[in-house]
Amino acid sequence: EVQLVESGGGLVQPGRSLRLSCRTSGFTFGDYVMSWVRQAPGKGLEWVGFIRSNAYGGRAEYAASVKGRFIISRDDSESIAYLQMDSLKIEDTAVYYCASQTLVPATLLSNWGQGTLVTVSS
Amino acid sequence: AIQMTQSPSYLSAYVGDRVTITCRASQGIRSDLVWYQQKPGKAPKLLIYDASSLQTGVPSRFSGSGSGTDFTLTISSLQPEDFATYYCLQDYNYPYSFGQGTKLEIK
Repeated sequence: EVQLVESGGGLVQPGRSLRLSCRTSGFTFGDYVMSWVRQAPGKGLEWVGFIRSNAYGGRAEYAASVKGRFIISRDDSESIAYLQMDSLKIEDTAVYYCASQTLVPATLLSNWGQGTLVTVSS
Repeated sequence: AIQMTQSPSYLSAYVGDRVTITCRASQGIRSDLVWYQQKPGKAPKLLIYDASSLQTGVPSRFSGSGSGTDFTLTISSLQPEDFATYYCLQDYNYPYSFGQGTKLEIK
């Protein structure tokens, strides 16, 4: 069974940093793209970014709203994806979900974790 | 960036009704469209991928159609467990983008 578990959320002041983790099991982590999606309180879903598998260079892509402040990385030996969030803004307050790709169906956001809440406030 | 316009934002219906939600892309996205269902406090659940393919385990009352710029999600006969918020997602190219969501409530 595929499982994704996010952790690392919490209350942080504007301008500070936070790192989220997404621990996975039940699939060959290193073969798949890992993504992050967020949802501000009472709002819709927003794609944050994804990281390719190392077989495809391991390069990440980001939404314009976080580019230059957030970095997605992966540790294939531990089956963990990370979201490093720097220079946090109040508008980054959201539940952050990680999601994994599947090949059947061929979608990037197939399996999701339960989410972790990040609150940016002074 | 591709914009996804989803409508309606809110829909009120009875159990047993047939409902349709639409999503329009600001440019052609082939059939690279996914539909999700989200219940309060839960992660989104994949319903439909490639615009019209039903995810394993999803009831057959859910169906999707469309290609290019116009897409629909149809629920043929609403069940109590279907009252939730629905989102479309274009995964044609990045930055990937979601529709604004449709909140489906019981009448």
